[in-house]
Amino acid sequence: EPEVTQTPSHQVTQMGQEVILRCVPISNHLYFYWYRQILGQKVEFLVSFYNNEISEKSEIFDDQFSVERPDGSNFTLKIRSTKLEDSAMYFCASSPGGRVETQYFGPGTRLLVL
Amino acid sequence: DQQVKQNSPSLSVQEGRISILNCDYTNSMFDYFLWYKKYPAEGPTFLISISSIKDKNEDGRFTVFLNKSAKHLSLHIVPSQPGDSAVYFCAASDPWGNKLVFGAGTILRVKS
Repeated sequence: EPEVTQTPSHQVTQMGQEVILRCVPISNHLYFYWYRQILGQKVEFLVSFYNNEISEKSEIFDDQFSVERPDGSNFTLKIRSTKLEDSAMYFCASSPGGRVETQYFGPGTRLLVL
Repeated sequence: DQQVKQNSPSLSVQEGRISILNCDYTNSMFDYFLWYKKYPAEGPTFLISISSIKDKNEDGRFTVFLNKSAKHLSLHIVPSQPGDSAVYFCAASDPWGNKLVFGAGTILRVKS
């Protein structure tokens, strides 16, 4: 069964450093998303991406964040200058069509900013 | 932001019995609802969904009920199995459908 994959599974970084989280969505899906879950808190929407552009972003997704689909398979989330409060589990998701329908999530990347 | 609420942090059920997980929402624009199951160190796994034009959707042991007037939905698992032990998240989307809004989750423990 096709699945969303994410790399790395864990990332430790120093405050102020740039990190890139990578995702390979399900191959025939058209919509891509990033969510995060800070320990003990809800899963929160960050950004959605369709047709090579951002379709919606939350207030969390400020200028420090960016997303890119550099080729036909990868979808990346970049945090330019990490802060302590960026420590969280980051989930990538994808969905097949033009409506939320069902989003399929990857296993997540645990980011720890020291 | 409390648009989707799961007021029970945890639920414990005996194997073979029914598990009922509840979810309330406040945004009347939500028109699509999903339940996800999550194990530690894994991503949310889709279980079942329901559109606001329905009041019930069933898939095997899982049934979701939607009461639009009460802005309430519930997930029934019958019969419950130990492998069902996980965190269950309720999520909702609006007609513009670009994001899911999640509840805080309910930890289900099924005892054998």
